[in-house]
Amino acid sequence: KNEVEQSPQNLTAQEGEFITINCSYSVGISALHWLQQHPGGGIVSLFMLSSGKKKHGRLIATINIQEKHSSLHITASHPRDSAVYICAVRIQGAQKLVFGQGTRLTINP
Amino acid sequence: NAGVTQTPKFQVLKTGQSMTLQCAQDMNHNSMYWYRQDPGMGLRLIYYSASEGTTDKGEVPNGYNVSRLNKREFSLRLESAAPSQTSVYFCASSEYSQHTDTQYFGPGTRLTVL
Repeated sequence: KNEVEQSPQNLTAQEGEFITINCSYSVGISALHWLQQHPGGGIVSLFMLSSGKKKHGRLIATINIQEKHSSLHITASHPRDSAVYICAVRIQGAQKLVFGQGTRLTINP
Repeated sequence: NAGVTQTPKFQVLKTGQSMTLQCAQDMNHNSMYWYRQDPGMGLRLIYYSASEGTTDKGEVPNGYNVSRLNKREFSLRLESAAPSQTSVYFCASSEYSQHTDTQYFGPGTRLTVL
């Protein structure tokens, strides 16, 4: 079983819909990251969380440490949000990140 | 600032050939990383360097060597390429601390081994 599991693996929605991508992990962590990989392949970091909630524009990330679960929400989705969204955790006491398999999001106009 | 740069962008090798992937960052970060990304799998860490002069193995180090040439540069070498090493390789850097380790990624190198 992977230490980091994302769901769904693929998600297709219409423009304007509210999007939720989930990440569950099975190890103790010191931080959780959400990243975005563009269709061209480039990877950018969206959020780093150790507790609570963060917001940047239409993106919101939350984490529940007790339940070992994080969600990434996109409000008022747009075709330009189409990308692969990746969850990664920093295991306690380690510098390395462990990555989920990613969620491929497609927003249709 | 260029951020993290990687060369080459594409490479085709024959089984048994060797090559070095180059990575450089201009953000004065202490930590640098090499990942590979395969279809259906998440990014997997090959090697990382927490600081200049140190390197450590990640999840999938077999068949690879690395050199942290200086603070800016971190290279990945395949001594004898195998088809199983066909992948997209990403270099990343970060200013790792207890409070932050946002990683900045290079554009990737797409490697095919025939």
